[in-house]
Amino acid sequence: GAVVSQHPSRVICKSGTSVKIECRSLDFQATTMFWYRQFPKQSLMLMATSNEGSKATYEQGVEKDKFLINHASLTLSTLTVTSAHPEDSSFYICSAPGLLSSSYEQYFGPGTRLTVT
Amino acid sequence: AQSVTQLDSQVPVFEEAPVELRCNYSSSVSVYLFWYVQYPNQGLQLLLKYLSGSTLVKGINGFEAEFNKSQTSFHLRKPSVHISDTAEYFCAVSEGGNEKLTFGTGTRLTIIP
Repeated sequence: GAVVSQHPSRVICKSGTSVKIECRSLDFQATTMFWYRQFPKQSLMLMATSNEGSKATYEQGVEKDKFLINHASLTLSTLTVTSAHPEDSSFYICSAPGLLSSSYEQYFGPGTRLTVT
Repeated sequence: AQSVTQLDSQVPVFEEAPVELRCNYSSSVSVYLFWYVQYPNQGLQLLLKYLSGSTLVKGINGFEAEFNKSQTSFHLRKPSVHISDTAEYFCAVSEGGNEKLTFGTGTRLTIIP
């Protein structure tokens, strides 16, 4: 099946700094990717939809200036957490839809654990 | 807006015993339903999905789920579990034609040898 990778898998940063998380579709092209955030013992919450060649679409309550999304190519989307604070510590997961739109299947990356100290 | 409820946060089951993981949803329109599994240190993997047609859906690794519209449920079942089934299971829903997924809080399945 299709593979989605994320880098880094874990990152620790100091409060006030920015950190970039990469999401790559390894063997297929993705014009759309999704970014989720998962708190401990909670469900995945959709943050935004990343669109290749255009602006990302953010869900209600998600600060677009804080969580910058860039979908620079058909295989890469990046999420940059700017001026990170401890409350931004979380597990961030990306996904990309499969090749067949009729299958409604999404392929998920392994996630990135962000810890802000 | 749709929502998904997984009432059981943890389910311990003896090896080779049957298991049912519960999922209920709410939505004002027709939905597509999914079960994903997350093994330790791995990404989510699709177990099975219901889009239309037969309400009994069979997935990978011997799992199946039944869509019950009147009860707005999509419970996941397996007749005999194995140690390798230890994982976190997520139920998800998307409103027909929309790629966005709404997830439940997940159920951690622990298999007891």
